[in-house]
Amino acid sequence: RKEVEQDPGPFNVPEGATVAFNCTYSNSASQSFFWYRQDCRKEPKLLMSVYSSGNEDGRFTAQLNRASQYISLLIRDSKLSDSATYLCVVNTRYNFNKFYFGSGTKLNVKP
Amino acid sequence: NAGVTQTPKFQVLKTGQSMTLQCAQDMNHNSMYWYRQDPGMGLRLIYYSASEGTTDKGEVPNGYNVSRLNKREFSLRLESAAPSQTSVYFCASSEGAGIVGNAGELFFGEGSRLTVL
Repeated sequence: RKEVEQDPGPFNVPEGATVAFNCTYSNSASQSFFWYRQDCRKEPKLLMSVYSSGNEDGRFTAQLNRASQYISLLIRDSKLSDSATYLCVVNTRYNFNKFYFGSGTKLNVKP
Repeated sequence: NAGVTQTPKFQVLKTGQSMTLQCAQDMNHNSMYWYRQDPGMGLRLIYYSASEGTTDKGEVPNGYNVSRLNKREFSLRLESAAPSQTSVYFCASSEGAGIVGNAGELFFGEGSRLTVL
């Protein structure tokens, strides 16, 4: 079973739409959670960390549900520039240096 | 603002050839990583180095070797390349877990696209 699972999409949404992605993780010892963004043929870059209390950064909101072992990313008022693949990343309290990546969810924002 | 630098960016090899991917970071990070990315598979950890002088296997280490040459540099070697090693390779670095308990943000190089024929 994969450590981290994501719906590959693609999610095709119009500009201005609200879209949400979920990511499930299998290891109950998972400690830290992140969303990374990857543009086509580019390197991944950190979008935001996910805190237990949930956190917001502008149009982006991340939530953690430890009981059900998933994290979510909500994007409000989608922009064309949000088109990318969003990677869910976790590590465990047994080895903070080992990051596990989901295979990513592709988002296409259309005019 | 170099960050993480990988070389080469592109390489074509024949089966059985060897090569080394070079990676250097200028952020004084303790931890460095090598990932491969294949379509539909996400990034998979090959090897990592939590600190200078240490290296550990990741999820897919077979067919690879690594060297943490110093704090800045972490190389990945393919001794006898196979078509299954055709992939995009990313080097990354982070501050490292230390005693804080969170390795921090991963900073990636631009990737090395390797094709093995």
